[in-house]
Amino acid sequence: EPEVTQTPSHQVTQMGQEVILRCVPISNHLYFYWYRQILGQKVEFLVSFYNNEISEKSEIFDDQFSVERPDGSNFTLKIRSTKLEDSAMYFCASSLAPRGPSGNTIYFGEGSWLTVV
Amino acid sequence: QKEVEQNSGPLSVPEGAIASLNCTYSDRGSQSFFWYRQYSGKSPELIMSIYSNGDKEDGRFTAQLNKASQYVSLLIRDSQPSDSATYLCAVKNSGYSTLTFGKGTMLLVSP
Repeated sequence: EPEVTQTPSHQVTQMGQEVILRCVPISNHLYFYWYRQILGQKVEFLVSFYNNEISEKSEIFDDQFSVERPDGSNFTLKIRSTKLEDSAMYFCASSLAPRGPSGNTIYFGEGSWLTVV
Repeated sequence: QKEVEQNSGPLSVPEGAIASLNCTYSDRGSQSFFWYRQYSGKSPELIMSIYSNGDKEDGRFTAQLNKASQYVSLLIRDSQPSDSATYLCAVKNSGYSTLTFGKGTMLLVSP
């Protein structure tokens, strides 16, 4: 069964450093997302991406964050100048379509656990 | 502010029993509703989606939607210890492609 894959599974970084989290969405999917989950809290939306541009973003997704689709398969989340409060599980996700009863289901990768020390 | 509310639990049921998980949402424009299962430290795994009022059954799982009451539920029949996890209710609003999650209900199924 097709799946969303993410790397790394776990990364420890020093405060102030830049981090890039990588994702390979499901191959025929057109919409890509990043969500995060701080330990013990709810899953929160960060950003959605379609046709090589951001389609929606949350208040969390400020200038510290950026996303890119550098080639036909990868989708990346860059976090600049990391802070302690950026420590969380970051989930990449994808869907075939954004809305409607057909194809809008969002499938999640296994996550990248980011620890900022 | 779009809100999705769930009882955090834990909901404890014996093996073989029916587990009933509930969720309410604030945005009447919500169109699509999902239940995800999340094991500790793992990613959300889709269990069910529902779009229309009424019941939708898939194996041991039944999702129920009542848009007038802004309420969605998940029933798990013949609960197994392997069902022990946190169940996340997620709602997609019209005009948006993104999901709003509840905090999840922890389900514990005892052998």
